[in-house]
Amino acid sequence: AQSVTQLGSHVSVSEGALVLLRCNYSSSVPPYLFWYVQYPNQGLQLLLKYTSAATLVKGINGFEAEFKKSETSFHLTKPSAHMSDAAEYFCAVSLSGGYNKLIFGAGTRLAVHP
Amino acid sequence: GAGVSQSPRYKVAKRGQDVALRCDPISGHVSLFWYQQALGQGPEFLTYFQNEAQLDKSGLPSDRFFAERPEGSVSTLKIQRTQQEDSAVYLCASSFRGLAGGPGTDTQYFGPGTRLTVL
Repeated sequence: AQSVTQLGSHVSVSEGALVLLRCNYSSSVPPYLFWYVQYPNQGLQLLLKYTSAATLVKGINGFEAEFKKSETSFHLTKPSAHMSDAAEYFCAVSLSGGYNKLIFGAGTRLAVHP
Repeated sequence: GAGVSQSPRYKVAKRGQDVALRCDPISGHVSLFWYQQALGQGPEFLTYFQNEAQLDKSGLPSDRFFAERPEGSVSTLKIQRTQQEDSAVYLCASSFRGLAGGPGTDTQYFGPGTRLTVL
C-alpha cells in the first residue's frame, strides 16, 4: 500500500530564509509524486509533480523538489521565503498507470515571519 | 468556466439530515474525484468518475454516502442521515483524462471545497 509521511506539521522560517518541507513516501511500485499548496478557504493548487522524468523538478513560485529513490524522499525547497508563501503544503503520491488517485500526507503548515 | 466550482461553500446540517454537495468540473474534463478533508488532515480519496461511470468508490466511508455524475459533467455527493463525524471539507477535483503515466500524468484541478458542519 502507498503512504506519505510529512515530517513536521508546522514549519516557521524568516522571510528570505531557505524553505525545506520534508516528504517521505512508501510505494511498492514506481510512484508519481506531487506537491500541492492550499491557502485559507481555497482549494489545492499544484506546485510541481514528478513523473519519472528528471529527478529535480521545478515548479511555480520558485519551488523545486528532488526525487531520491534511495531515500524514498521528495522534499520541497525554496531558496528564499516570501511572506506570500505562508500556507499549508501537501505531498501526495499516486500509482503509475490507472487513474491517478492521490494519496496525501497530513500536511505541513508554513509560517513566514518578518 | 475557468475552474472547478463547488456549491454550497458552507453547509450546516443537523444530525440526521440529508445533504447534497455539488461539483461543476472544468468543461471537457473526463475525470472527476471527490476527497474528504478532516480538520488538520490531508485530503482522503472518496470516489472517482470517468465520464458518467463511477469506477472506484472504495473510499466512501459508509453506505450513507452516495455520488453520481449522470451526464458526465456535474457531480453530486449526497450524504444521508448525517453524523457529526461527517463534518469536514469536501473537495472535488477534475482532470482532462485522469490517467497516471509518464509526463502526461494529468494534473488534478481542485475546487474550493464545501465545508460541512454537522451539529
